[in-house]
Amino acid sequence: GAGVSQSPSNKVTEKGKDVELRCDPISGHTALYWYRQSLGQGLEFLIYFQGNSAPDKSGLPSDRFSAERTGGSVSTLTIQRTQQEDSAVYLCASSQNSRQPQHFGDGTRLSIL
Amino acid sequence: KQEVTQIPAALSVPEGENLVLNCSFTDSAIYNLQWFRQDPGKGLTSLLLIQSSQREQTSGRLNASLDKSSGRSTLYIAASQPGDSATYLCAVRPTTAQGAQKLVFGQGTRLTINP
Repeated sequence: GAGVSQSPSNKVTEKGKDVELRCDPISGHTALYWYRQSLGQGLEFLIYFQGNSAPDKSGLPSDRFSAERTGGSVSTLTIQRTQQEDSAVYLCASSQNSRQPQHFGDGTRLSIL
Repeated sequence: KQEVTQIPAALSVPEGENLVLNCSFTDSAIYNLQWFRQDPGKGLTSLLLIQSSQREQTSGRLNASLDKSSGRSTLYIAASQPGDSATYLCAVRPTTAQGAQKLVFGQGTRLTINP
């Protein structure tokens, strides 16, 4: 597609449930990033994928968070046993390589009741 | 640990004025610096990217400068328009081995251009 696509755009779920967020990067972009944007915390890095290399998971806040990237393209971010502090906008970005700009999707707004 | 600060947090100016947004970072070891705009409820739109070896980049009415040694960048917007109203975010890409893949963001400047 023309840009980074994320789904769903909004997700409301009950505390304790698992959620899956999807990101479809720009075609041909080998690098994919997940960030979280919340009030008071700004934008925080979560995880980075580059080609077939092992992902950089250094930003994941707890072991309830995990992410996969299948076939070097689509990525899913999974949050297990959601907590209210997980409420935020989850943004995905992709880039051609480390020297090129990161292009962001519109994000998934996650609300935990 | 790299920290990015943006001043002011909010700015309101009349249409037509030229304005400058400021960004400072604590560690000069960066690959590049990127300016974004974010409209309410939307993702980030990349405006300009400056590599560490560059001093400035220009796109239309926007000009971004980088002084890596002093840890500063500015975004200059000429002849501002109401459509420029948005939150502007500055982000750096560290060169440290552990941080090289991620962007470190400032808190943003919320800009309002009044007609």
